[in-house]
Amino acid sequence: EIVLTQSPGTLSLSPGESATLSCRASQTVSSSYLAWYQQKPGQAPRLLFYGVSSRATGIPDRFSGSGSGTDFTLTISRLEPEDFAVYYCQQYGTSPTFGQGTKVEIK
Amino acid sequence: EVQLVESGGDLVQPGRSLRLSCTASGFRFGDYGMSWVRQAPGKGLEWVSFIRSKRYGENTEYAASVKGRFTISRDDSKSIGYLQMNSLKTEDTAVYYCTRDPHPYCSNINCPHDSWGQGTLVTVSS
Repeated sequence: EIVLTQSPGTLSLSPGESATLSCRASQTVSSSYLAWYQQKPGQAPRLLFYGVSSRATGIPDRFSGSGSGTDFTLTISRLEPEDFAVYYCQQYGTSPTFGQGTKVEIK
Repeated sequence: EVQLVESGGDLVQPGRSLRLSCTASGFRFGDYGMSWVRQAPGKGLEWVSFIRSKRYGENTEYAASVKGRFTISRDDSKSIGYLQMNSLKTEDTAVYYCTRDPHPYCSNINCPHDSWGQGTLVTVSS
């Protein structure tokens, strides 16, 4: 099983700042089969990216995904109030696993 | 508008069974794969099971934690997906989400999930 470790656990930032979220895999994620999701309290997750950097429908371009192999990054430039949420990475190249999540909270 | 609505969640005793349903609308259900993903109270996400579309063979996959106890299926004529859960354990307690999985995004093994329902709560307790 591929273990995904997300860091930091919590990111405290102000609106307008940039956020950098890390997702590290215990083994190479084959063919860049990595996705990112956003989840707000009481809501279902929402797909942000698949294939590392392919933006899902309706996702604003202040969000970007990058990385390869075992190291992946989700960057949010110019945080908007609606961006404060928990973010999960997921690999789906083998039996799928999720990271434990990074909470982006308002400072 | 794409909609996925889960139902069937309940409070059940350990060892009992439960069947969840996922009713889809707003898209051609039969063209997509479908997964179930769960989230224990206050915890992260855990993929549970996946079924491909008929075009891709309706093959199924299961997480090790549920293999042999859970069965995923689909009825494309009704646009409904199912998760039959047998021999339930307390650790199966979670909100269960059904998801839409677009095959063009997928690996040979599994898929990202581009739409999610609002979830149904399953509580396993004596």
